[in-house]
Amino acid sequence: QKEVEQDPGPLSVPEGAIVSLNCTYSNSAFQYFMWYRQYSRKGPELLMYTYSSGNKEDGRFTAQVDKSSKYISLFIRDSQPSDSATYLCAMSVEGNEKLTFGTGTRLTIIP
Amino acid sequence: SAVISQKPSRDICQRGTSLTIQCQVDSQVTMMFWYRQQPGQSLTLIATANQGSEATYESGFVIDKFPISRPNLTFSTLTVSNMSPEDSSIYLCSVRGQNTEAFFGQGTRLTVV
Repeated sequence: QKEVEQDPGPLSVPEGAIVSLNCTYSNSAFQYFMWYRQYSRKGPELLMYTYSSGNKEDGRFTAQVDKSSKYISLFIRDSQPSDSATYLCAMSVEGNEKLTFGTGTRLTIIP
Repeated sequence: SAVISQKPSRDICQRGTSLTIQCQVDSQVTMMFWYRQQPGQSLTLIATANQGSEATYESGFVIDKFPISRPNLTFSTLTVSNMSPEDSSIYLCSVRGQNTEAFFGQGTRLTVV
C-alpha cells in the first residue's frame, strides 16, 4: 500500500462546475499538507498549504484536511479552462524535510 | 517564494552519455532537493544537496549514477551518468519555504535514445 493514494483520473468537468480532488494517506504522523498544480511541461506550482486539520480558502480554492479519516481534499469553485492541469497532493511529517507526493490527478475543464 | 531557474529545459541524449542539469535559486538556501518525475508516477526524491557536504541519497539512488554538486548557497547541479532509456524522465530541482512547503523549478525533460 502506498503512503499516499490519489486517483489519477483523468477527470473532465464542464466550465463553471465545482471540482473535488482527493487524497488519502496512511501515515498518521503527517502534519503538513500541500496541493500543487502542474501544467504540461512545467514544474509543480504550490497552490495551497495547510498545517494539521481544518479548512483553508484562497479565492476559488479550498483545501480541507480531515486527519481522523486521513483524507484531504481540494475544491475548485467556478472552474475555468485555465484550471486544466495535473493536481498533486503532498504531505510531510513535522521536523522532516521529506515530502511524500500522490501520483497526481489530471483535470480537464471543458469550455 | 523562491524563484528557481533550471536548465536545460529539455534534451535528447544518446544512451551511454551523461547530462548535467543546472539549478539556480534567487536566494540563499541551506538545502536543495532533486526529484525525478516519471510518466504516471509521483515525484520521487533522488537526493538532498547541502552546501559544503556530500549529498544525501535516497534508497535506490547512488552517487555514481547521479553525482551532485553544491558549490554555494544558490546553485546546484545534478548529473545523470551513463544514461539508458530508463532514465528518460522529468528532473526537478526544489527548495523549501519557511513552513516546509516545496518550490520547484520548471523541470528538465530528458529523453534517452
